[in-house]
Amino acid sequence: EAGVAQSPRYKIIEKRQSVAFWCNPISGHATLYWYQQILGQGPKLLIQFQNNGVVDDSQLPKDRFSAERLKGVDSTLKIQPAKLEDSAVYLCASSLGENIQYFGAGTRLSVL
Amino acid sequence: AQKVTQAQTEISVVEKEDVTLDCVYETRDTTYYLFWYKQPPSGELVFLIRRNSFDEQNEISGRYSWNFQKSTSSFNFTITASQVVDSAVYFCALSEARSSASKIIFGSGTRLSIRP
Repeated sequence: EAGVAQSPRYKIIEKRQSVAFWCNPISGHATLYWYQQILGQGPKLLIQFQNNGVVDDSQLPKDRFSAERLKGVDSTLKIQPAKLEDSAVYLCASSLGENIQYFGAGTRLSVL
Repeated sequence: AQKVTQAQTEISVVEKEDVTLDCVYETRDTTYYLFWYKQPPSGELVFLIRRNSFDEQNEISGRYSWNFQKSTSSFNFTITASQVVDSAVYFCALSEARSSASKIIFGSGTRLSIRP
């Protein structure tokens, strides 16, 4: 069974530029999560989707971050414009509904 | 509010030594789940175990064992006879159990280095 796929693996941009990350969850997993992991910290939830609906986006900085999950499968997370403090690893996870989340390898973003 | 504390930022031991990673949690929920995840240098978080708050039995899986003590709100993880491949960052995590897709709160992680 294929795991959670994320791309790109690495991205370097300058501040004020835009960037987008893509996630393909495990087939059949209805719940999809985006996390931000700053160096030396644990992952922090940004947004949670159930199929294509948002369940929790309370910690998503909505002035610059946006996410969508069209058709309830793939998802994209966008940052526009990026700030220096957005440098982090962005992790995508999916779940079948048994409270166990399976993670992708993440996208490491560096904002210069 | 829910909180997970991993007081040990980094641990370094020599191969074959036993090592215990500590985890203390806070929650007002009576029903919750506890987790351990491993994050190797590749970056992907690997699920290790999930524990229901009603099940305080300790669990052993090969060289890994987990000690859940509700009285002290702790869920410690022991690696017996450590190996270099165990080197990684380990995260303890907590979620409510009200739904099948609850948010997970992670601790800050413990970086474990196993020296040959």
